[in-house]
Order: sequence, then structure tokens, then C-alpha cells
Amino acid sequence: AQSVTQLGSHVSVSEGALVLLRCNYSSSVPPYLFWYVQYPNQGLQLLLKYTSAATLVKGINGFEAEFKKSETSFHLTKPSAHMSDAAEYFCAVSRGGAQKLVFGQGTRLTINP
Amino acid sequence: EAGVTQFPSHSVIEKGQTVTLRCDPISGHDNLYWYRRVMGKEIKFLLHFVKESKQDESGMPNNRFLAERTGGTYSTLKVQPAELEDSGVYFCASSEGLAGVGDTQYFGPGTRLTVL
Repeated sequence: AQSVTQLGSHVSVSEGALVLLRCNYSSSVPPYLFWYVQYPNQGLQLLLKYTSAATLVKGINGFEAEFKKSETSFHLTKPSAHMSDAAEYFCAVSRGGAQKLVFGQGTRLTINP
Repeated sequence: EAGVTQFPSHSVIEKGQTVTLRCDPISGHDNLYWYRRVMGKEIKFLLHFVKESKQDESGMPNNRFLAERTGGTYSTLKVQPAELEDSGVYFCASSEGLAGVGDTQYFGPGTRLTVL
């Protein structure tokens, strides 16, 4: 069975500071990994995904994530936070192809001016 | 190109009533998924259609939930009768269905269901 753990339901950073949102997964097969973002009153939007190509994945809005098999992690980072990054972020895993997503609990990111 | 749309955006009903949620996927997407997020919990998978067929309904909580996908286009999710624990946000997603790669699922804005 697959599972995803996001460490920290709430993360707060200052504008301009590094954003680090943690995600660890467990999967019995090589996983496909995703980060989605939900802005207030909107649906989930794909930030980036890992599909067994490059381990460092670049996404939209300056976000990137690194797949580390030895640590079973897929942490999301952004060098410099903007106020517009305030949202809820979800890490998810699937077994690939047209398969269901298994989500973590979500991390709400707050940006302090 | 239009994204995934869901209707209604909000629904407030009383326990024991019936509610039907609708999802229109992105045109041409064979795969359609329903997910639910109960307050304070993670987003959980309910079921997956490939065209008009149910591919995986392992996440459906009980037989009060009925999902259909007419002609492989839009889908409806009916809850009958609704219970308090059915409250939450119901998301619909669709994908093209590319085998062998991490198929991107595109999500709608969700329907917030409140059962009183």
C-alpha cells in the first residue's frame, strides 16, 4: 500500500525566505510523485511531478523538488517566498499511468511580510 | 480550453436528503476521478472511471454513494440518503490516460457539501 506523510500541517516563513515543505512516501513499487497547490477558493493545481526521469524536478512559480529514493522523500522548495505563495500544498503519489492519487494531509503555507 | 467544472459549488442539505453532484471533465479525457476531503483530513480517492466504465471504486464509503458517467462524458455523484459524516469537499479530476507515465490529473474547484 502507498502512503504519503507531510511533516507540518502549517508552515510560516517570511517573505524572501526559503520555503521547504516536506514529503515522505512509502510505496511498494517505483512511485510517481506530485505536488499540487490549492489557492483560496480554487481547485488543485499541479506544481510539478516526478516520473522517473531527472531526480530534480522544476515546476511552476519557481518551485522545485528533489526525489531521493534512499530517503523516500520528495521535498518541495523555493529559494525566495512571495506573498502570493500563501496556499495549501499537497504531496501525492501514484503507481503511474492512469492510477488514483494518494495524498498527504496537506501543508498550509503562510507568508509573513 | 475549459478546465474541469463542477456543480454546484456549494450545497447545504439536511440529513436524510439526497444530493447530486456533477462533474464535467476536460474534453477528450477518458479518465475521470472523484475524491473527497473531509474537514481536517487528507484528500481521499473515491472512484475512477475510464470512459463510462468504473475502473476502480475501492474508495466509495458505502452504498449510499452512487456514481455514474453517462456516455463517457460528464459524471454525477449521488448521495442518498445523506448523513452528517458526508460533509466535506468533493473534488473531481480528469486525465488523458497516458499509460506508463505519471498521468497528470486536472482538478475542478470542488463542491463543498454541508449536511445538517
